[in-house]
Amino acid sequence: EPEVTQTPSHQVTQMGQEVILRCVPISNHLYFYWYRQILGQKVEFLVSFYNNEISEKSEIFDDQFSVERPDGSNFTLKIRSTKLEDSAMYFCASTDGTGRSQPQHFGDGTRLSIL
Amino acid sequence: QKEVEQNSGPLSVPEGAIASLNCTYSDRGSQSFFWYRQYSGKSPELIMSIYSNGDKEDGRFTAQLNKASQYVSLLIRDSQPSDSATYLCAASTGANNLFFGTGTRLTVIP
Repeated sequence: EPEVTQTPSHQVTQMGQEVILRCVPISNHLYFYWYRQILGQKVEFLVSFYNNEISEKSEIFDDQFSVERPDGSNFTLKIRSTKLEDSAMYFCASTDGTGRSQPQHFGDGTRLSIL
Repeated sequence: QKEVEQNSGPLSVPEGAIASLNCTYSDRGSQSFFWYRQYSGKSPELIMSIYSNGDKEDGRFTAQLNKASQYVSLLIRDSQPSDSATYLCAASTGANNLFFGTGTRLTVIP
């Protein structure tokens, strides 16, 4: 069964540094998402992306964050000038369309640890 | 504000029993509802989706939706120790962005 893949599985970064989290969505999917989950808390929506542009973003997704689809397969989340509170699991998800019948499939996540 | 509320648990049931998990949502514009299972340290795994009022069954799982009451539930029949996990309820509007509850931790006791 096709899967969403994410790399790296664990990223450790010094506060203030930039990180790029990578995702390869399922190949025929068109809609891509990033979520994060701080330890012990709920999964929170960050941003959705379709047709090479952001569809919607949450209040969390401020100027520190950006997303890009640099080629036909990768979908990246960049976090500039990381802060301690950015430490979380970051999940990428994809779906082949919006609407009622399009469940999102999640990757295994990247655990981001900011020191 | 789009809120999804779940009892955090923990919910403990004996092996073979029915586990009942509940969820309410605040946004009446929500159209699609999902149950995900999340093992500790792992990503959410889709269990069920439901879009219309009533029941939807898939194997040992039954999802129930009542839009008038803004209520979603998940029943797990013949619970197994491997069902022990956190169950996440999620709702989405037409934009398809998911709003998650905090999850209910289920423990199935052998």
